[in-house]
Amino acid sequence: ETGVTQSPTHLIKTRGQQVTLRCSSQSGHNTVSWYQQALGQGPQFIFQYYREEENGRGNFPPRFSGLQFPNYSSELNVNALELDDSALYLCASSYKTANTGELFFGEGSRLTVL
Amino acid sequence: SQQGEEDPQALSIQEGENATMNCSYKTSINNLQWYRQNSGRGLVHLILIRSNEREKHSGRLRVTLDTSKKSSSLLITASRAADTASYFCATDGHNQGGKLIFGQGTELSVKP
Repeated sequence: ETGVTQSPTHLIKTRGQQVTLRCSSQSGHNTVSWYQQALGQGPQFIFQYYREEENGRGNFPPRFSGLQFPNYSSELNVNALELDDSALYLCASSYKTANTGELFFGEGSRLTVL
Repeated sequence: SQQGEEDPQALSIQEGENATMNCSYKTSINNLQWYRQNSGRGLVHLILIRSNEREKHSGRLRVTLDTSKKSSSLLITASRAADTASYFCATDGHNQGGKLIFGQGTELSVKP
């Protein structure tokens, strides 16, 4: 148990819809990162939030957006869903240091887009 | 894009045998980490090795790092059925802005 919780665990949407995924970070952590993991692939970095601001973004279009709240929890929003957005979305929390240390992952939200 | 390439993609061994997984990466790193993932679940951190370290141990795990070859290996000794999972290497590279770049993983199956 990492102390990082994600909701919902599973959800099904149709193309064009919008989705919001939520993440509560581990106590004492101030940084949240989101990753997308397609079936059979490694996780791909979407973006990171530190002190409520985006602090780095991967190669994902603007329809992927996020928020971090004062309690360091976070949301990932995806607009105009496409079939290829079907994946496991992983949230990871950490305490920001000069280099990236251990990440603590939640169990993920599995999104299916039909 | 994924920086790491892992080898083999899949590995099947008997309980009690050793399992070795390899990871290669492309750019200079601050550290390299290994994670484990049980089917469809979250990733669990196993071990971190810094760029100035060559070898690190944790229980039945042994990690090596060769920065001149940009490669790392993870050895699991005396494997158990419970070690069955996917294993990923991840790099914290210079100027990567706090993100880890993951490889595609090695799927390990340990048969009782």
